Amino acid sequence: QVQLQESGPGLVKPSQTLTLTCNVSGASITSGGYYWSWIRQPAGKALEWIGRISINGRSSYNPSLRSRVALSRDASMNQFSLRLSSVTAADTAMYYCAKERVGAGFEQWGQGALVTVSS
Amino acid sequence: QSALTQPPSASGSPGQSVTISCTGTSSDIGAYKFVSWYQQHPGKAPKLILYTVSERPSGVPDRFAGSKSGNTASLTVSGLQADDEADYYCSLNGDGNIILFGGGTKLTVL
Repeated sequence: QVQLQESGPGLVKPSQTLTLTCNVSGASITSGGYYWSWIRQPAGKALEWIGRISINGRSSYNPSLRSRVALSRDASMNQFSLRLSSVTAADTAMYYCAKERVGAGFEQWGQGALVTVSS
Repeated sequence: QSALTQPPSASGSPGQSVTISCTGTSSDIGAYKFVSWYQQHPGKAPKLILYTVSERPSGVPDRFAGSKSGNTASLTVSGLQADDEADYYCSLNGDGNIILFGGGTKLTVL
C-alpha cells in the first residue's frame, strides 16, 4: 500500500520560503516508471501543478512558478521536497504531493498540507 | 500554456448520464493522448478515475468513460449516483513535460 504524507509549517510569512516534504512509504522514489509531483489548490479553486522530480533527480516546473520553485529529493529517506520562495498571500493553498505513473496520471495522492501565507 | 477549459457546473438526475468537456488547443489536447480525469469530494484529495483518455484504474466502475475528439476530451458518467456528486478535473501531460489542469467542473446530482 503506497502512502504519501506531506509535512511542513502551516504558516509562512510573506516574502519567506515555503518548504514542504513528502514522505513516501510502500514504494521507492527511485523506482523506474514514476514521477513525484507537487500540486496545489487554493480554497475553492482549481488544481495547479507545481512541478515534478524524476527517478534520476531531474525536475520539471510549471512555467508560471519556475523562478521561485525548487524540488529536491532524499533517496535515503525516501522523501522529496518543495521549496517555494518569496511567497505572498496568493500562495496560500492546500499543497498535495502525488505519485505519477509515466503517461498514466497521478495515481496516488497525499492527504494534503494547508499552508497559509500571512504575517 | 493556458489551463484547460471545463464548464463550471454540470448536473443530472440519478440514473441519468452526464458529459463533462475539457477543451484545449491543437498544441495540447489535440496533440497528446495523455489526458486524465480526477474526482474530488469536498475536503478530500483528488482521485484518479481515467488516464490516457479512456483507461480506468482498478476499482473505478465502468460507469466512468472517457473520449477525445480534436481539441476536446470528455468524461461521461452514466447511471448517476448520489456519490458521484463531486468536483471533476481534467489534466494533460503534454509538451515539454508540463502538466495542465482544467478549471474543474462541479457535478450536482439532482
